[in-house]
Amino acid sequence: NAGVTQTPKFQVLKTGQSMTLQCAQDMNHEYMSWYRQDPGMRLRLIHYSVGAGITDQGEVPNGYNVSRSTTEDFPLRLLSAAPSQTSVYFCASSYSGRVIYGYTFGSGTRLTVV
Amino acid sequence: KNQVEQSPQSLIILEGKNCTLQCNYTVSPFSNLRWYKQDTGRGPVSLTIMTFSENTKSNGRYTATLDADTKQSSLHITASQLSDSASYICVVSDGHGSSNTGKLIFGQGTTLQVKP
Repeated sequence: NAGVTQTPKFQVLKTGQSMTLQCAQDMNHEYMSWYRQDPGMRLRLIHYSVGAGITDQGEVPNGYNVSRSTTEDFPLRLLSAAPSQTSVYFCASSYSGRVIYGYTFGSGTRLTVV
Repeated sequence: KNQVEQSPQSLIILEGKNCTLQCNYTVSPFSNLRWYKQDTGRGPVSLTIMTFSENTKSNGRYTATLDADTKQSSLHITASQLSDSASYICVVSDGHGSSNTGKLIFGQGTTLQVKP
């Protein structure tokens, strides 16, 4: 049981490049989400999904796109990378969006935009 | 504005000693409060989840308390070990949204360093 798997673990992009951060879970969780964590700051929600085909914006969605074509996968796309998007990105999943259930986090993707 | 504030920002203790981390929140309506441990370079891992009606919950050497009246929580670590060195994050869920799909409000975390 792998839990939540994020790839890649590290990535360096040039300003203006695009890329996709991958997130996959094998726990049949309905709810998946993406957070970013900047140094010394709290995690902030980028986008989330309550099930396949359903996505919604979080606190800081600008510059990011998501889709949820399957229950297992929730990729995060950077359309045109900017230095302000340098951060550590975490994917998290939960049995459902109901707050009583715990969240399982991936190990993160450290992204640097130069 | 919904906020979660943690103190201290950082803490250094000697191995074997106890410590207590604090979390104050201004989240309404309140649904539940979680404590997470985040090792350097890793994702957060859940330690405890407490709802409004629970005022204490333990997970091994970790004991969380909740005072919903004063909107305060604490995480007490007993007999600290070197492996306890990590960031500890307090997360409060509000009760908004359909099907209880409330929002998570994260604290900034307390960085704990346990020295031999």
